[in-house]
Amino acid sequence: DADVTQTPRNRITKTGKRIMLECSQTKGHDRMYWYRQDPGLGLRLIYYSFDVKDINKGEISDGYSVSRQAQAKFSLSLESAIPNQTALYFCATSDGTPAEQYFGPGTRLTVT
Amino acid sequence: GENVEQHPSTLSVQEGDSAVIKCTYSDSASNYFPWYKQELGKRPQLIIDIRSNVGEKKDQRIAVTLNKTAKHFSLHITETQPEDSAVYFCAAVITGNQFYFGTGTSLTVIP
Repeated sequence: DADVTQTPRNRITKTGKRIMLECSQTKGHDRMYWYRQDPGLGLRLIYYSFDVKDINKGEISDGYSVSRQAQAKFSLSLESAIPNQTALYFCATSDGTPAEQYFGPGTRLTVT
Repeated sequence: GENVEQHPSTLSVQEGDSAVIKCTYSDSASNYFPWYKQELGKRPQLIIDIRSNVGEKKDQRIAVTLNKTAKHFSLHITETQPEDSAVYFCAAVITGNQFYFGTGTSLTVIP
């Protein structure tokens, strides 16, 4: 679904580096989410935002921060990356709750 | 918060057989239960969902059932085909709150 895009798609970084993952959407949705996916652990919510002025922590927010720059943009930052943050990261959007979430293509992050 | 458990973690079936995946949830306030399919290397996509005021919903070969009393819901796939091979995730949602996903079921359909 080209309506939700993520950059970069793949990234290798070193321990201690700061990294930002970006998400953009053209669906016009107010709600945006960041998840990480690890084998055997499913999708776990990091942060979510119901509008530009609203930011909420998910179940695994430690070590992460987010910025909602506009309705269409939601960025995830790792202030000081560590190896156990190696994972597949997905951004998602929805237009209400509860309603279908539309996922981006994912960013594969490796921290060495 | 909500706790969603999903079983089994892996499932292999012969083509044409049925597949059943089960999830349980802990918070009786959950009122929306979607199922997502994730093919290898791709993003999760919604395949069917059910709301708490409905007991069963069907869409061609896929059906979902919900038992609110027992706090469990299940995905049923009939006449399985090789293209049904994927990872399936259930989720439970409370209105105004976040999605809680299960840990996923890797389904393999053997031709």
